[in-house]
Amino acid sequence: EDKVVQSPLSLVVHEGDTVTLNCSYEVTNFRSLLWYKQEKKAPTFLFMLTSSGIEKKSGRLSSILDKKELFSILNITATQTGDSAVYLCAVEAGSSNTGKLIFGQGTTLQVKP
Amino acid sequence: DAGVTQSPTHLIKTRGQQVTLRCSPKSGHDTVSWYQQALGQGPQFIFQYYEEEERQRGNFPDRFSGHQYPNYSSELNVNALLLGDSALYLCASSFTGRSGNTIYFGEGSWLTVV
Repeated sequence: EDKVVQSPLSLVVHEGDTVTLNCSYEVTNFRSLLWYKQEKKAPTFLFMLTSSGIEKKSGRLSSILDKKELFSILNITATQTGDSAVYLCAVEAGSSNTGKLIFGQGTTLQVKP
Repeated sequence: DAGVTQSPTHLIKTRGQQVTLRCSPKSGHDTVSWYQQALGQGPQFIFQYYEEEERQRGNFPDRFSGHQYPNYSSELNVNALLLGDSALYLCASSFTGRSGNTIYFGEGSWLTVV
């Protein structure tokens, strides 16, 4: 059965700290791994990763994929209170790009002032 | 260009009742997927509709059914509601054959079963 596991499940840090969120997966026919930020409602897209070792960056956020060890990390540097959210990791798997995503449980990040 | 729209945003139902949730996909998208997100959990795939047919289904009972109309909009129906059906129901739209970063989510429908 396809599975995506995130760790830690929750995290409390102070502004300015750096955090690393983890995502491991076991799926058949991996196509891509996606990271989302969710604040109460719709998940908002952060990154899509398809190739190992290539870092994606957007401001203070960055992510990388290891397809050999089947995991990805999401780094957030110089955290701000606005980074407080649930971070979701999802994998698209299957014989074609069908748009079906398998999500992890999410990591709840709280950034204190 | 409207994104994915869902209705209603919140609703409260009683155990045993039936509910219908609606979704209009992003313009140009032809595929609609539904997810259930229980409190503190990640979204779980319910099913996906393409060309008015259910193309894929997750591990959900037959009480969960759906429909897609010719204009690509979709409905999720849940019969014989249980307390455990209380969750955020997310609709995601995409264009078949495109990769994951072209998937768009709606704001969701919060269902509370009492």
